[in-house]
Amino acid sequence: QLQLQESGPGLVKPSETLSLRCTVSGDSVDSSPYYWAWIRQAPGRGLEWMGSIRYTGTPYYNPSLRGRVTISLDTSKSHFSLRLPSVTAADTAVYYCARHIKKQWVPADPWGQGTLVTVSS
Amino acid sequence: QSVLTQPPSASGTAGQRVTISCSGSSSNIGGNYVYWFQQFPGTAPKVCIYRDEQRPSGVPDRFSGSRSGTSASLAIGGLRPEDEADYYCATWDDSLSAWVFGGGTKLTVL
Repeated sequence: QLQLQESGPGLVKPSETLSLRCTVSGDSVDSSPYYWAWIRQAPGRGLEWMGSIRYTGTPYYNPSLRGRVTISLDTSKSHFSLRLPSVTAADTAVYYCARHIKKQWVPADPWGQGTLVTVSS
Repeated sequence: QSVLTQPPSASGTAGQRVTISCSGSSSNIGGNYVYWFQQFPGTAPKVCIYRDEQRPSGVPDRFSGSRSGTSASLAIGGLRPEDEADYYCATWDDSLSAWVFGGGTKLTVL
């Protein structure tokens, strides 16, 4: 049974780099045909897809974030990561990790519980 | 500004039927499946409708979805207090090569 768990610092200073990890259990991040995604939700706001990485290691990013976001796989440790440099207060959000297939969400696949990241000095 | 347009709020009394709309374009809803997520405060979203109209196991048959052209809708019949939540539509956008979400609709059961 798939389980995802986000981890990382809950507080990041402005201009620094936000780094999060999603630990995967019940599957491997190099398992075909899956994609591994990061989605965030600013306080009181809607959902924003940040990007996904295919099991082969090919990433796909939200055009609105391109150039800032990097998603990578660590197949040996079965997790994937998010890196967002030069953060501002606008990056304060709950960050979720999730799994999907090409252009589809799998209804039985739960998202991670989410982790709140606050950008503040 | 979200790529998909939803009403910010919807409401109904217990037992009523409510419909939430989701409007997009030919590059997203017009050519791809629509998904509906239900989110309770402080929890992660969960799929309540997938592939336009399919219900996951455990979702009551009071929930139904449809898609026509560049719009989709989620209908909840026989409203119950436990249906009170935020609902988001989502689909893939072929032009953006990105998942896009609606802004979300807060459903209140009066």
